[in-house]
Amino acid sequence: AQSVSQHNHHVILSEAASLELGCNYSYGGTVNLFWYVQYPGQHLQLLLKYFSGDPLVKGIKGFEAEFIKSKFSFNLRKPSVQWSDTAEYFCAVNAPYGGSQGNLIFGKGTKLSVKP
Amino acid sequence: DAGVIQSPRHEVTEMGQEVTLRCKPISGHDYLFWYRQTMMRGLELLIYFNNNVPIDDSGMPEDRFSAKMPNASFSTLKIQPSEPRDSAVYFCASSSGWGAGELFFGEGSRLTVL
Repeated sequence: AQSVSQHNHHVILSEAASLELGCNYSYGGTVNLFWYVQYPGQHLQLLLKYFSGDPLVKGIKGFEAEFIKSKFSFNLRKPSVQWSDTAEYFCAVNAPYGGSQGNLIFGKGTKLSVKP
Repeated sequence: DAGVIQSPRHEVTEMGQEVTLRCKPISGHDYLFWYRQTMMRGLELLIYFNNNVPIDDSGMPEDRFSAKMPNASFSTLKIQPSEPRDSAVYFCASSSGWGAGELFFGEGSRLTVL
């Protein structure tokens, strides 16, 4: 079965600092990878996704993520965070050719607090 | 376009009562998911449907939980009897296509069981 690990539970940064949130998954086959964001009091929204092709994926609001297959990683980055980026970030994986194609497995999330 | 619609947004009930959460997926989406979010466990998949058929319900905690999808535009998650440990935010999500492309989430139903 697939699983997703997010290394940091809570990250605190000052505005303009660079961000990198770690995400590792366990599954040896083909995967689709996602980052979702949940702003305080709101539902989850898609930030970016990787299905195939260029392993460097650009998403909304200046976020990007890099898929490194050899490391089973899909880390999220942003060069300069803003106070409005304060939210919880979830990495998720789906195995489209696995036994449960429709299933999207989420990591436990990383809370990002950006100090103004 | 209307997104995924969930009701109620908030529910406070007493232990032992029946709770029914409702979800209307985005029109045309053929996958529907029920997730539960708690501080301790994060986001857990409870069950998902494809074309109204339950595909994987291994995440349903116990027999007190049941989910139905009588048609393509409506699903329910029922807890009977409810317990305090069921307190959580329950999210419904839908997606289109095979392989779980982007999930579109509802606003969630915050359940408090006293």
